[in-house]
Amino acid sequence: DAMVIQNPRYQVTQFGKPVTLSCSQTLNHNVMYWYQQKSSQAPKLLFHYYDKDFNNEADTPDNFQSRRPNTSFCFLDIRSPGLGDAAMYLCATSTHPLYEQYFGPGTRLTVT
Amino acid sequence: AQKVTQAQTEISVVEKEDVTLDCVYETRDTTYYLFWYKQPPSGELVFLIRRNSFDEQNEISGRYSWNFQKSTSSFNFTITASQVVDSAVYFCALSGTDRGSTLGRLYFGRGTQLTVWP
Repeated sequence: DAMVIQNPRYQVTQFGKPVTLSCSQTLNHNVMYWYQQKSSQAPKLLFHYYDKDFNNEADTPDNFQSRRPNTSFCFLDIRSPGLGDAAMYLCATSTHPLYEQYFGPGTRLTVT
Repeated sequence: AQKVTQAQTEISVVEKEDVTLDCVYETRDTTYYLFWYKQPPSGELVFLIRRNSFDEQNEISGRYSWNFQKSTSSFNFTITASQVVDSAVYFCALSGTDRGSTLGRLYFGRGTQLTVWP
């Protein structure tokens, strides 16, 4: 089945230790998104790629970076995780920025 | 500015009851899209429906139905004969097309936690 895959599902990192989360898709969608979701809150958009065009939300911390080496893969790099970065990170894809997004299962990040 | 309001933070019902989740939106765009997503305890957001601003026809899919009314800027979601498996957080969302809105961004409501008791 075509899908959005996120690895790992659970990630534990130490305060200040860089961490990379990965997302892959078999849907061949043009657009990929990264969201941060904290408990009892709506997902918060961090970035998205429309093909190779990168769009960074104005309030996304500089500590967060993203890479999309090809259509299928997208990475979220957190350069120096703080305790406040502990959250669920969701990857999503869509055929067009206006249309429905399909989400992966998420990576739950714990910072110790 | 785009905004989605889900005034109901939590709803509890007993199985087989009907339940309606409210969604009110604000936008200056003339063309926009509305969505509902379900997030069960596992955490994965599941797309349920998309409506565009020119299509006010109500939609029914099994036990789910959606009522879109531009006059009241509402896009409500009704579950008929609720089941325990319907327990989840439900998000209403909006995306816009015209200048002034960030293309491709979903504006989520805060979500409604629905608990269905056996």
